[in-house]
Amino acid sequence: DTGVSQDPRHKITKRGQNVTFRCDPISEHNRLYWYRQTLGQGPEFLTYFQNEAQLEKSRLLSDRFSAERPKGSFSTLEIQRTEQGDSAMYLCASSSRSGRLETQYFGPGTRLLVL
Amino acid sequence: AQSVTQLDSQVPVFEEAPVELRCNYSSSVSVYLFWYVQYPNQGLQLLLKYLSGSTLVKGINGFEAEFNKSQTSFHLRKPSVHISDTAEYFCAVSLRNSGNTPLVFGKGTRLSVIA
Repeated sequence: DTGVSQDPRHKITKRGQNVTFRCDPISEHNRLYWYRQTLGQGPEFLTYFQNEAQLEKSRLLSDRFSAERPKGSFSTLEIQRTEQGDSAMYLCASSSRSGRLETQYFGPGTRLLVL
Repeated sequence: AQSVTQLDSQVPVFEEAPVELRCNYSSSVSVYLFWYVQYPNQGLQLLLKYLSGSTLVKGINGFEAEFNKSQTSFHLRKPSVHISDTAEYFCAVSLRNSGNTPLVFGKGTRLSVIA
């Protein structure tokens, strides 16, 4: 169990550029979540997958945000035409259904700065 | 919809003193309750969780929390804090009996342990 990994850890981009973040969950975890955390706030849910199916995406912040998990393993979160308000920490978590409750394990996050 | 209120945004405390971080939640249905800790520039680490049964839950690093259904609270406590406990602490809920859902977080409490 190597934990949830995210890449890159930091990203600086100019407004209007596209960015893509990757999340590798704990192996055999079938659920994967994306959250966004802005300064002074708790994480805010964006979207999640069970295997390759995206179960909830209505909380994505705009149509500039999209996520994929094509083979039910790693996932990518893309932000198109970035804006300064997109600057935040993007967190990924994974979990495995075991009994009544899953526990979400978080990665270290990708910190995005849009100039 | 569920919501989580962490009543204190910052809590300073001297080393070896006891501490309580307060959390109240609102939900029309039963929830699971969690406390996560976030060290600087890191992701979230699970401290403890409440599923059912005993209302006093023990977690890692000497932390414990008590579920109070009538007061809809889940306060976190530690009898004697260390400098290394300085971090951001987040209370979170997820829906019970719903096949597990994304976490709803509070805004966090910054614990500062003073030598």
